[in-house]
Amino acid sequence: AQSVTQPDIHITVSEGASLELRCNYSYGATPYLFWYVQSPGQGLQLLLKYFSGDTLVQGIKGFEAEFKRSQSSFNLRKPSVHWSDAAEYFCAVGLGGQAGTALIFGKGTTLSVSS
Amino acid sequence: DSGVTQTPKHLITATGQRVTLRCSPRSGDLSVYWYQQSLDQGLQFLIQYYNGEERAKGNILERFSAQQFPDLHSELNLSSLELGDSALYFCASSADRRGEQYFGPGTRLTVT
Repeated sequence: AQSVTQPDIHITVSEGASLELRCNYSYGATPYLFWYVQSPGQGLQLLLKYFSGDTLVQGIKGFEAEFKRSQSSFNLRKPSVHWSDAAEYFCAVGLGGQAGTALIFGKGTTLSVSS
Repeated sequence: DSGVTQTPKHLITATGQRVTLRCSPRSGDLSVYWYQQSLDQGLQFLIQYYNGEERAKGNILERFSAQQFPDLHSELNLSSLELGDSALYFCASSADRRGEQYFGPGTRLTVT
């Protein structure tokens, strides 16, 4: 069955430091991959997506992610974290289908930013 | 603002009751998805509608049902509510079949 694993439940990073959030997936074919961010009391905002092609994708708010097929990973990175990046981050896999694709989400990683 | 709207924002009700959650997708999006977010289960896909027809089902209980209307808004009906149904319910809409979904702000359901 398809699954998404985010190994880190909680990460604390100093403001200005770099960030990497890990995501591993289990899926038979090349998946559609996504990162979403959820601030407290808010909905989910799409940060970036990977469908095919270039394995390094750029997203909003200075985030990027790299798809590594050999490692079944899609890690999220940011070179310099800002206090406003504190939130919960979800990696998701699109299951695919004729009329659309439901998303399977990881359990999420909570990011705290220290000053 | 994603362009997806959900009402109500909060809902408090008693066990055994029935509630209806409403979602309006982004203009032009034909697909609507419903998800449940709870502390123990995380974010789980419930059901998808495409242009008025049910297209995919996830971990949706038999007590739950949904529909999508001709104007493309969708409603999620939850009946015989139990304490464990307390959760955030999200609606998302999509214009393509690759899964690029835009989420509404959610409805927080509390069952007492």
